[in-house]
Amino acid sequence: AQSVAQPEDQVNVAEGNPLTVKCTYSVSGNPYLFWYVQYPNRGLQFLLKYITGDNLVKGSYGFEAEFNKSQTSFHLKKPSALVSDSALYFCAVRAPLAGGYNKLIFGAGTRLAVHP
Amino acid sequence: DTGVSQNPRHKITKRGQNVTFRCDPISEHNRLYWYRQTLGQGPEFLTYFQNEAQLEKSRLLSDRFSAERPKGSFSTLEIQRTEQGDSAMYLCASSSPGLAGGGEQFFGPGTRLTVL
Repeated sequence: AQSVAQPEDQVNVAEGNPLTVKCTYSVSGNPYLFWYVQYPNRGLQFLLKYITGDNLVKGSYGFEAEFNKSQTSFHLKKPSALVSDSALYFCAVRAPLAGGYNKLIFGAGTRLAVHP
Repeated sequence: DTGVSQNPRHKITKRGQNVTFRCDPISEHNRLYWYRQTLGQGPEFLTYFQNEAQLEKSRLLSDRFSAERPKGSFSTLEIQRTEQGDSAMYLCASSSPGLAGGGEQFFGPGTRLTVL
């Protein structure tokens, strides 16, 4: 079965420090991986995706993520955190060749708190 | 605003009543999805349309739930005989196929359903 794990319910980081939000996945075949961010009372906003090619992908608001096939991970990173980055972050996976068309399988989410 | 829109944003109903939600996708997107999100969890896939055809339904979508996309544009999600367990945020998303089928999904703000 396809699944996504976000092992940390919450990540705390000081403003200006680097941040990492972890994600591991389990799928059959080659995964398509996504990160979304959710602010209070708002829908999910797309940050970045990995489909193929370079393992390091860059996205919106200075975020980047590294695809690691051997570790089945897709951790979200940012070199210098901002207080405005505080939000709920979701990792998601699609596995088109495993069937299920285009549905996304989401992790449970990680709350990022950036302190001044 | 050319994003995904959902109406109503909030719905409070009594147990046993029927409710209907509407989703208007981004105009050029032929793919439309419904998800359900409960507190503290990531979104869970409910159903998927490609144009007007409903191509996949989750086991979460009991026979009390029905979704339509009659002309391949907007979609409706109806819940009959609502139960308290139906209380959740209902999210709609749309996408284009994208390169190699990797088009990201764009989410609407959601409809929050409360069943009393």
